[in-house]
Amino acid sequence: GQNIDQPTEMTATEGAIVQINCTYQTSGFNGLFWYQQHAGEAPTFLSYNVLDGLEEKGRFSSFLSRSKGYSYLLLKELQMKDSASYLCAVRGTSGGSYIPTFGRGTSLIVHP
Amino acid sequence: KAGVTQTPRYLIKTRGQQVTLSCSPISGHRSVSWYQQTPGQGLQFLFEYFSETQRNKGNFPGRFSGRQFSNSRSEMNVSTLELGDSALYLCASRGIDNEQFFGPGTRLTVL
Repeated sequence: GQNIDQPTEMTATEGAIVQINCTYQTSGFNGLFWYQQHAGEAPTFLSYNVLDGLEEKGRFSSFLSRSKGYSYLLLKELQMKDSASYLCAVRGTSGGSYIPTFGRGTSLIVHP
Repeated sequence: KAGVTQTPRYLIKTRGQQVTLSCSPISGHRSVSWYQQTPGQGLQFLFEYFSETQRNKGNFPGRFSGRQFSNSRSEMNVSTLELGDSALYLCASRGIDNEQFFGPGTRLTVL
């Protein structure tokens, strides 16, 4: 089976940097995704990692280590609007299909 | 470019009924995936369609089915509704890369 672990909640200060970790166990790893979801809204794609290393996109960066089953999402220069749930998802194989499995999400609270 | 659209946005049904949800992907996107989101189970993958063929399927009972039309629009059907099917159903479309764009969702309530 597949299992995703990420912290339930984190708090940070506006302007700071925060790192949200995600550990996973999966069969047939085929990519790791990060999404942002504001309350009452649909998820928004942030990043995709399939090879080890760091992917940077503006204020957001995502890191992957396949050997350790580990990823993190780094948010720099935090803004109040970054308060949201951050979902880690891993695509693996199950029953002949590629299936994305989502973590329960990390609720990030950014305060002034 | 218009985003992913889903209809209806809200739906109330009773146990035992069936329901059909519709999703129109971003123009040019041929992959459409469906997800169920509940407070108890989080976000779960239902299935993915590509060029009218189901390509991947999650671990949901056969009551959940879908199809995709030649214009890439997709429908999802749930038969014999149960109380536990109350959820937000999200559709997402994907182009040639791995970036998925989600629609606003259909909020289904089963009474």
